[in-house]
Amino acid sequence: AQKVTQAQTEISVVEKEDVTLDCVYETRDTTYYLFWYKQPPSGELVFLIRRNSFDEQNEISGRYSWNFQKSTSSFNFTITASQVVDSAVYFCALSEAGSARQLTFGSGTQLTVLP
Amino acid sequence: DSGVTQTPKHLITATGQRVTLRCSPRSGDLSVYWYQQSLDQGLQFLIQYYNGEERAKGNILERFSAQQFPDLHSELNLSSLELGDSALYFCASSEQGRGADTQYFGPGTRLTVL
Repeated sequence: AQKVTQAQTEISVVEKEDVTLDCVYETRDTTYYLFWYKQPPSGELVFLIRRNSFDEQNEISGRYSWNFQKSTSSFNFTITASQVVDSAVYFCALSEAGSARQLTFGSGTQLTVLP
Repeated sequence: DSGVTQTPKHLITATGQRVTLRCSPRSGDLSVYWYQQSLDQGLQFLIQYYNGEERAKGNILERFSAQQFPDLHSELNLSSLELGDSALYFCASSEQGRGADTQYFGPGTRLTVL
């Protein structure tokens, strides 16, 4: 069965600091997909990124970057020069190409960026 | 705005009652998913529909049921409500209901059972 672990329950940083959110996953499928979602205080779930298991290229989007390492089953998310508006709960999630097409979520990391 | 709509936004009801949550997927998406977010269980998958047919079931209680209609909107019915059913219920949609698809989430319905 698939599993996603976000060991960091809460992280607090001061504005402009860099912060990395960890995500470790388990799956038996050779083809799978990893996602990050953001849940701001307003409550909605906002899609940030999707990575395929066969594409280990890291990705950068503005202040956001993602490091996918199959060897350690990790898909970490870094925010550079954090801002107060980045304060939210961030979820890592996994889906598989096989029968488990639904998302399996980690428990989330509450990020607080202080001014 | 993800393009997925959910109504109502908030729902307050009493134990033993029955409620219906409604979801309209993004234009062009054929698959709808329901998830429950609670403090103790986190975000859990309930059920998936694709083009009107049930495709996958997760940790959905027997008191809960869902359907997807010909116009692709979906409803989640919760009956014999208990205090523990209080949660945020999300609907998500995707193009084809495959693992490769990105799921886009609606704003959620916050259910409070008193």
